Amino acid sequence: EPEVTQTPSHQVTQMGQEVILRCVPISNHLYFYWYRQILGQKVEFLVSFYNNEISEKSEIFDDQFSVERPDGSNFTLKIRSTKLEDSAMYFCARGRGGASGELFFGEGSRLTVL
Amino acid sequence: AQSVTQLGSHVSVSEGALVLLRCNYSSSVPPYLFWYVQYPNQGLQLLLKYTSAATLVKGINGFEAEFKKSETSFHLTKPSAHMSDAAEYFCAVSDPNTGNQFYFGTGTSLTVIP
Repeated sequence: EPEVTQTPSHQVTQMGQEVILRCVPISNHLYFYWYRQILGQKVEFLVSFYNNEISEKSEIFDDQFSVERPDGSNFTLKIRSTKLEDSAMYFCARGRGGASGELFFGEGSRLTVL
Repeated sequence: AQSVTQLGSHVSVSEGALVLLRCNYSSSVPPYLFWYVQYPNQGLQLLLKYTSAATLVKGINGFEAEFKKSETSFHLTKPSAHMSDAAEYFCAVSDPNTGNQFYFGTGTSLTVIP
C-alpha cells in the first residue's frame, strides 16, 4: 500500500502544454516533496512544501513549475509549458521533516513530452 | 554539500549468494543515510536508515548496512540473495541543516540469477 497516491500514472503531452500531476497523502502529514527521475539518471529534488508554503526548492524548479495544495488534501505539481526535457518520472513524497526523518514515496507519475 | 556515489550501476548475483551494493557519501557534517529500493513500476520504498545510532543498521527483507566513517561508506548487504530482491537500489543522504532535501545516488540495478 503506497504512502501516497499519485495520478496519473502516465501522461503523454505535447511540448508547450500544461500538465498537472496530483498527489494524495494517505495520512495527514505536513511535509510534502516532489522529486523527479529522468530515465537513467539520479532521483533529483524539486521542491519541498510545508504548511501550505514552499520551504525549499532546487534550481530545477524554475518559473515553469508551481505547487499548491488547493483543497488541503491534494498536492499538485504544475508544469506550465512543458519541454522535451521535462520527460521524467515524477515522485511525490511525504515526510515528517528533519534530516533524520525518512521520506515515503508514491509510485510516481511518468510524464512523456512529445 | 552532501552527495552519494554508488559504484556499479549493475550488479548480478546468483540466487543464494551474498549481495553487496556499494555507497560512498560526502558530507561536511555527520550524515543521515538511507537505502531505498524500487521494484518495477513502483515507487521508492525505504529499506533502512542510519541516523547516528548503531553503525550496523538492519532493514527489511534481510538487508543491512554498516556505516563506516573512516571509509565514508554505507554499503548495503544481504547474506543470501532471493529472486524477489531483483530491483533498483538507491542510496541517499539527507541535508542535516534543513532536512528537506535528499540527495540520491544514480542507483544500482540488482539482477538475481537462478
